[in-house]
Amino acid sequence: DADVTQTPRNRITKTGKRIMLECSQTKGHDRMYWYRQDPGLGLRLIYYSFDVKDINKGEISDGYSVSRQAQAKFSLSLESAIPNQTALYFCATSDLDRASGNYGYTFGSGTRLTVV
Amino acid sequence: LAKTTQPISMDSYEGQEVNITCSHNNIATNDYITWYQQFPSQGPRFIIQGYKTKVTNEVASLFIPADRKSSTLSLPRVSLSDTAVYYCLVGDKAAGNKLTFGGGTRVLVKP
Repeated sequence: DADVTQTPRNRITKTGKRIMLECSQTKGHDRMYWYRQDPGLGLRLIYYSFDVKDINKGEISDGYSVSRQAQAKFSLSLESAIPNQTALYFCATSDLDRASGNYGYTFGSGTRLTVV
Repeated sequence: LAKTTQPISMDSYEGQEVNITCSHNNIATNDYITWYQQFPSQGPRFIIQGYKTKVTNEVASLFIPADRKSSTLSLPRVSLSDTAVYYCLVGDKAAGNKLTFGGGTRVLVKP
């Protein structure tokens, strides 16, 4: 099983609809993130959470909201989807790997969202 | 957060060494340098991380000069499966702060 699981993998929705993207992790990490990637571009941070009671806006949070239901779950909602929110969405977790000393991110496989 | 600059794309051939240089002139004292690899329609994957001098693992090497204003990711003897986008990120490891992904370097490995 994947360490970071995103559902759904693909979704087509209509303009104005509310949609939720879900993310769950088995890494036991406190820190979770939602990123958006547009074709040919890098990832842009939407929201992040450093623990269950902590929610922070990223660089492009307008039009999005999040919920950290538990340490392992972090969901992203589009309250009223619009076509320019069509993108690939990634959830990620991060923590210090004590064995290597490296601090790294683990990403999910992504959710491809199309708003028509 | 320190801004990074890296080439948009690079072409190489199977069996060659690929070196990608990233500039980060305003890197802070506590910042580490981390490289990620991303295949199409997949999330980025951690490759290597370093603070200074040279770091090597089973996948790549990372060279960081003394002034730390740049770093070079070296991929030895690339294969077709190394075709991907490579991102250079700079951030404070201790704080585990949110990282900013730029456009990355698109590496195409040809037969």
